[in-house]
Amino acid sequence: AQTIHQWPVAEIKAVGSPLSLGCTIKGKSSPNLYWYWQATGGTLQQLFYSITVGQVESVVQLNLSASRPKDDQFILSTEKLLLSHSGFYLCAWSLRGNTGQLYFGEGSKLTVL
Amino acid sequence: AQRVTQVQPTGSSQWGEEVTLDCSYETSEYFYRIFWYRQLFSGEMVFLIYQPSFDTQNQRSGRYSVVFQKSFKSISLVISASQPEDSGTYFCALSANSNNRIFFGDGTQLVVKP
Repeated sequence: AQTIHQWPVAEIKAVGSPLSLGCTIKGKSSPNLYWYWQATGGTLQQLFYSITVGQVESVVQLNLSASRPKDDQFILSTEKLLLSHSGFYLCAWSLRGNTGQLYFGEGSKLTVL
Repeated sequence: AQRVTQVQPTGSSQWGEEVTLDCSYETSEYFYRIFWYRQLFSGEMVFLIYQPSFDTQNQRSGRYSVVFQKSFKSISLVISASQPEDSGTYFCALSANSNNRIFFGDGTQLVVKP
């Protein structure tokens, strides 16, 4: 069975500090990977997607970056957090042939003060 | 341009009632899929059901079904025999074949009362 795990579950960070969020997918080779951001009570905004190791496509510019160092790992990061980065970050995977049917991680709640 | 609209920010029902949640979308793609997800209070997102654009049959999965009106670019999620455990926020999402962009609506927060 496939599992997806995100870390950390929650973070409280200061404005201007760095951030790294991660997710790992087990039990599925070569998945498509996605990062989504959700403001409190809001919709899901797609940030990045990756279809293969080392390749990441940016969907919106939010002063964030993403990397896929291994087939089963997706990292979201920034060197300087902004207040607007607060929210809920969700990592998801899909099969190559069925983009849209997403399987999500538990999410990471980020509070920037 | 692709867009998903859910005009009902909230909804409610009584235990056992049928619930209908509405979604409309915009796309110029010929092939696309519409997905429904439910977000639990923990934040976890769960896939429920999807409808491919080329399929004229309304999809069904357990207590979930959809009413797909392709010519109107609308799709409704129908939950039969709703239960309090069905409470949560329901999101409609659009995925077109030509790229890996997946667009979500604003969600409808459903409360099922016991």
